[in-house]
Amino acid sequence: DTEVTQTPKHLVMGMTNKKSLKCEQHMGHRAMYWYKQKAKKPPELMFVYSYEKLSINESVPSRFSPECPNSSLLNLHLHALQPEDSALYLCASSQERNRFPLYSYEQYFGPGTRLTVT
Amino acid sequence: AQKITQTQPGMFVQEKEAVTLDCTYDTSDQSYGLFWYKQPSSGEMIFLIYQGSYDEQNATEGRYSLNFQKARKSANLVISASQLGDSAMYFCAMREGLYNQGGKLIFGQGTELSVKP
Repeated sequence: DTEVTQTPKHLVMGMTNKKSLKCEQHMGHRAMYWYKQKAKKPPELMFVYSYEKLSINESVPSRFSPECPNSSLLNLHLHALQPEDSALYLCASSQERNRFPLYSYEQYFGPGTRLTVT
Repeated sequence: AQKITQTQPGMFVQEKEAVTLDCTYDTSDQSYGLFWYKQPSSGEMIFLIYQGSYDEQNATEGRYSLNFQKARKSANLVISASQLGDSAMYFCAMREGLYNQGGKLIFGQGTELSVKP
């Protein structure tokens, strides 16, 4: 099973709202990623969790707050977003163990959450 | 600095014909991996094929093959016998680091492929 699930599929929120995006995988992968993607552009990395620890934060504004409660779950908490934050938010995971080189691990992506900030 | 360049913003191909999507990369690291992903209009990124920098053979996965020319720093994707379902955005990506866990994927700008019936 090579599935990464994301909920919700679509989200519309006002600039004063607080919401969360959820990502789940049951493949035993030890690295999980959040990406932001605008239309017709490549995904932009936001955060990486490796073995449940935040390992990369690509200078993302603090209105985005990631959380990794366990090795299968990844959340992205949203607060006081701006209209320019409207985008497709993709979660991904990769195995990161049992085989070297580590750069050979492909990332598996979820279907994404389409976020609209009004 | 690492960089991926895809010079074809959009391409058309006739159904059942082969098509090559170009990708060049820049890195100072000797150890890296190259990936191709497909993104249909639904949004999900689908992993297609991988090539390691030390792999001597070109990677193949079904109708997908990767034409890897290390000296030229190119990693072109070849799709044989195109199908209507191949219409999508295609991204080339690179990852460096033998031992970096949770390493970054660097993406190119993408090529939008349209398959004509």
